[in-house]
Amino acid sequence: EVQLVESGGVLVQPGGSLRLSCSASGFTFRSNSMSWVRQAAGRGLEWISYVSDTSRSIYYADSVRGRFTISRDNAENSLYLQMNSLTAEDTAVYYCARVVGPFRQTYFDYWGQGTLVTVSS
Amino acid sequence: QSVLTQPPSASGTPGQRVTISCSGSRSDIGISTVNWYQQLPGTAPKLLIYKNTQRPSGVPDRFSGSKSDTSASLAISGLQSDDEADYYCAAWDDSLNWVFGGGTKLTVL
Repeated sequence: EVQLVESGGVLVQPGGSLRLSCSASGFTFRSNSMSWVRQAAGRGLEWISYVSDTSRSIYYADSVRGRFTISRDNAENSLYLQMNSLTAEDTAVYYCARVVGPFRQTYFDYWGQGTLVTVSS
Repeated sequence: QSVLTQPPSASGTPGQRVTISCSGSRSDIGISTVNWYQQLPGTAPKLLIYKNTQRPSGVPDRFSGSKSDTSASLAISGLQSDDEADYYCAAWDDSLNWVFGGGTKLTVL
């Protein structure tokens, strides 16, 4: 059974930093691309970052580029999101998701349960 | 503001058929397949339809998707109370982004 379990979400002050983790199991993690998607309370879904299976390709949404860094450790079956210079607008539930398919036919087939990041003083 | 446009709400009575629209552009839906996600209250999104019309294992055939040019639709037939959820369309765009609709809240009356 595919499982994605996020952790690391906490209350952090504006301007602070945080590292989220996503632990994967039930599939060959090193063979799959991964993404982070977030959702502010009462709002829709927002894709924020993608990493290919080998980390050769990495993409970011404009809203986080230059502040967030996605990475993975295939030996540990783990995905990470380093978040710096946090603002209130980054307050959201953060989901990791498995990415399937070539870009023009791509989709997220499994999602974690999410971890809540709250940015507030 | 979301890249893809969905109606904020939809409703129907049990047994009815409802459709949810998703409108995009030539740079997203126009070049990509469309996917739909169902998010039940308090839970993570779940893949409902992928590559325009395909259903993952376990998704009832009451759910169907279609795509034409730069728009797509999700149809739910034989509406049930536990279909009450938020539904999101999604696609990939030519700026190497994954884009979502703003979501449609489905109410079963």
